[in-house]
Amino acid sequence: QSVLTQPPSVSGAPGQRVTISCTGSSSNIGAGYDVHWYQQLPGTAPKLLIYGNNNRPSGVPDRFSGSKSGTSASLAITGLQAEDEADYYCQSYDSSLSSYVFGTGTKVTVL
Amino acid sequence: QVQLQESGPGLVKPSETLSLTCAVSGYSISSGYYWGWIRQPPGKGLEWIGNIYHSGSTYYNPSLKSRVTISVDTSTNQFSLKLSSVTAADTAVYYCARLYSSGWAGCWGQGTLVTVSS
Repeated sequence: QSVLTQPPSVSGAPGQRVTISCTGSSSNIGAGYDVHWYQQLPGTAPKLLIYGNNNRPSGVPDRFSGSKSGTSASLAITGLQAEDEADYYCQSYDSSLSSYVFGTGTKVTVL
Repeated sequence: QVQLQESGPGLVKPSETLSLTCAVSGYSISSGYYWGWIRQPPGKGLEWIGNIYHSGSTYYNPSLKSRVTISVDTSTNQFSLKLSSVTAADTAVYYCARLYSSGWAGCWGQGTLVTVSS
């Protein structure tokens, strides 16, 4: 039972834009803690996609972008490609739990 | 290019202690960063287990704190995880990772599946 809630699945056609929400509370995202995003392709380790709310590591396409507002954060994928089909997780810190926490995860399907 | 590789038994009996090691190459652990463990039960999401700073300071998930020990061996450039009194609920893929101060994991090992079963 994660404290960061994501939609179980989102889908879109190639070329479309999809967004994944990450809803938290006043003890995590709303408290100002950074949000990070990971992409996990089937059978592989997670890969860092966005750190510090809206920063892309070197090598991550600019089709991926992150934002944060209030107690929520979002990951946007523009120009959706077949290779983007994966699970996506948000992460932050929760002061009530004194723990780093991950979101429930979202499966992105490219139609 | 930093690389991490987990190793350890793939099968652990209930009530015993799970022990894993993460070998780091391409970077000296003693130079900085946090080094941590994250796990993922089959078909489920990610759970942070804990971190160790290069100086030896440790930070554990409170839900696991009573059973977890993370240590670092700078002479072999490795860090380790011990999880005691395991049950079937501890069955998961265990990942080691290099983390930054705000918690993001920039580099991951490939993961190793540990099954708890008699």
